[in-house]
Amino acid sequence: DAKTTQPPSMDCAEGRAANLPCNHSTISGNEYVYWYRQIHSQGPQYIIHGLKNNETNEMASLIITEDRKSSTLILPHATLRDTAVYYCIVRPNNAGNMLTFGGGTRLMVKP
Amino acid sequence: DTAVSQTPKYLVTQMGNDKSIKCEQNLGHDTMYWYKQDSKKFLKIMFSYNNKELIINETVPNRFSPKSPDKAHLNLHINSLELGDSAVYFCASSQLTSGRRNEQFFGPGTRLTVL
Repeated sequence: DAKTTQPPSMDCAEGRAANLPCNHSTISGNEYVYWYRQIHSQGPQYIIHGLKNNETNEMASLIITEDRKSSTLILPHATLRDTAVYYCIVRPNNAGNMLTFGGGTRLMVKP
Repeated sequence: DTAVSQTPKYLVTQMGNDKSIKCEQNLGHDTMYWYKQDSKKFLKIMFSYNNKELIINETVPNRFSPKSPDKAHLNLHINSLELGDSAVYFCASSQLTSGRRNEQFFGPGTRLTVL
């Protein structure tokens, strides 16, 4: 079962930052926070992951609260192509892991 | 250059038939997975296969059987297809090296329709 809670949907204006929240209040010390997205009719795509420090890559930034009970994925300048379902997943970073997807957040980027 | 490929992309078949979906990855990964996405868009893990070790989600009926001829392939065979098997099936792969991120790469999906 998914261990995360996300809003079912969000809107964002094109060019603005999209901030997608995720609650994971029962996260364990060895569990990482992963973000994936699924653009319509495509397979899920990895975005970013982190343990406790904030992370940034070419796609997004991940802000994890100090108590690690919640996080925010930030798309700094959302484009229409960022319209997708975004999944926040927590899991241990060791062998044999399978991703457990929840409902995700459907982000609609509007012109 | 496709990292994870699946065939066929679409599969329409009758109830009771047996069918297979093929998956190949050219990333040199040691672990492959099958996921099912139903009509309500929920993605659920079905299997994980690593170095001949098969981890099965206990909710998967035994009509579903993964077959891995080698490390680059993980095929999904389904016996006695039922209406409820209609879904999109995604294959994925990853390299489970300790200390490195376990990013999973997904294929484009196979849309199975059982009539």
